Amino acid sequence: AQSVTQPDIHITVSEGASLELRCNYSYGATPYLFWYVQSPGQGLQLLLKYFSGDTLVQGIKGFEAEFKRSQSSFNLRKPSVHWSDAAEYFCAVGMDSSYKLIFGSGTRLLVRP
Amino acid sequence: DGGITQSPKYLFRKEGQNVTLSCEQNLNHDAMYWYRQDPGQGLRLIYYSQIVNDFQKGDIAEGYSVSREKKESFPLTVTSAQKNPTAFYLCASSPAGDFGYTFGSGTRLTVV
Repeated sequence: AQSVTQPDIHITVSEGASLELRCNYSYGATPYLFWYVQSPGQGLQLLLKYFSGDTLVQGIKGFEAEFKRSQSSFNLRKPSVHWSDAAEYFCAVGMDSSYKLIFGSGTRLLVRP
Repeated sequence: DGGITQSPKYLFRKEGQNVTLSCEQNLNHDAMYWYRQDPGQGLRLIYYSQIVNDFQKGDIAEGYSVSREKKESFPLTVTSAQKNPTAFYLCASSPAGDFGYTFGSGTRLTVV
């Protein structure tokens, strides 16, 4: 069965420090992979997506993610975190048969001043 | 501006009552989705519709019902059969055969 695992429930980093959020997926076919961000009480905003090609994808707000097929991972990174990045981050895999998205449980990012 | 609107933002209901959550989009998207969000569990798919007058159950459809009579609208009814309805509900839409989801800002339902 298709699934997405985000092993870190919470992560706290200092402002200006680098960030890596982990995501592992289970999907039989070539995965379509996404990272979304959610501010409290709001909907989700797409940060970036991977469909094919270059395994390092750039997104909005200075985020990037790297697809590693051998590790079934799609980790999200940012070189220098800003206080405004504090939010919840969701990794998702898209099923190409139905165009449904399956989400991980999310990682809440806290930014220390 | 095109977008997807969920109303109301907050909803309170007594246990045993049915309640309907509204989702309207003016993006001309064919597909629409309902997700439920609980702390620590991410988003779980309740129902989805890829075309008017057709919809499919998602992973947690029990206790919920939907209709898709118009392309723009995909209301979700939380019935009294739903054992634990208090949650944050998110609606989304996308073009047909596309992962370009647009999410609404959600409805927080509290059942007391």
